[in-house]
Amino acid sequence: KAGVTQTPRYLIKTRGQQVTLSCSPISGHRSVSWYQQTPGQGLQFLFEYFSETQRNKGNFPGRFSGRQFSNSRSEMNVSTLELGDSALYLCASSLFGQGGGEKLFFGSGTQLSVL
Amino acid sequence: ELKVEQNPLFLSMQEGKNYTIYCNYSTTSDRLYWYRQDPGKSLESLFVLLSNGAVKQEGRLMASLDTKARLSTLHITAAVHDLSATYFCAVDESGGGADGLTFGKGTHLIIQP
Repeated sequence: KAGVTQTPRYLIKTRGQQVTLSCSPISGHRSVSWYQQTPGQGLQFLFEYFSETQRNKGNFPGRFSGRQFSNSRSEMNVSTLELGDSALYLCASSLFGQGGGEKLFFGSGTQLSVL
Repeated sequence: ELKVEQNPLFLSMQEGKNYTIYCNYSTTSDRLYWYRQDPGKSLESLFVLLSNGAVKQEGRLMASLDTKARLSTLHITAAVHDLSATYFCAVDESGGGADGLTFGKGTHLIIQP
C-alpha cells in the first residue's frame, strides 16, 4: 500500500512569490492535514480537509490556503512568500481525521526555502 | 492555549540503559500520541493513547497516559543505537480536533554504542 506522497520534495522561492505544494494521501483516506515544521516553532497545525471541505484551521495568516479534490488529493498554497515561511511542510492522512483518535500517516514533506 | 512540554529536550545515553521521556500538557485531554522522526525523514506514529491509564508497548518502548496528572511517559528499556531519533508527543485538545494536534518541542535522543 503506497504511503503519503508529497511533491515536490524541495523548493526554492524568493520573497513575494507564491508556491503550491501537493499531497496524495493513502488510498481510502479522506482526511488530509497540513503541518509546518521549523527549528524555532516546531510542528504547527495549518489546516485539515475532509471530503473536500476545510474542517479545521490553525493560527496562520490568510496567505496560507489549501484545498482538497474529490480524489482526496490536497494542495496547499502560500502567497506573497516571506523569509519566515521557510520550513518543512508535512502532510498527513487518516481515514476519519483529527479528533477521531486515529494515528496520522505523514508524508516525507516539502522543504521550502525562501530567499 | 494548549501547551505541551517535553523533557528532556536532549538526551544522550548509552546502549543498555533505561530512560524515560516526559510529556506534560496544560488542558484536559484523553488523546495523546507519540511520534518518532529520524533526521531528514518524516514522522512515524508510535503510539496512540486514548484513555486514562492507557499503556502500550512496542519492543523496547512503552508509553503510558495519566490524564489526571496531564502526563504521558515514554519509557525506553535497554536502549539500542537504532532508537536514536527525535521523539514527539502530541495532544488532541478537543474531541473534534478543532485545533489539530499540538506537538511538544521533541526530545532529541542519541544512544551511544
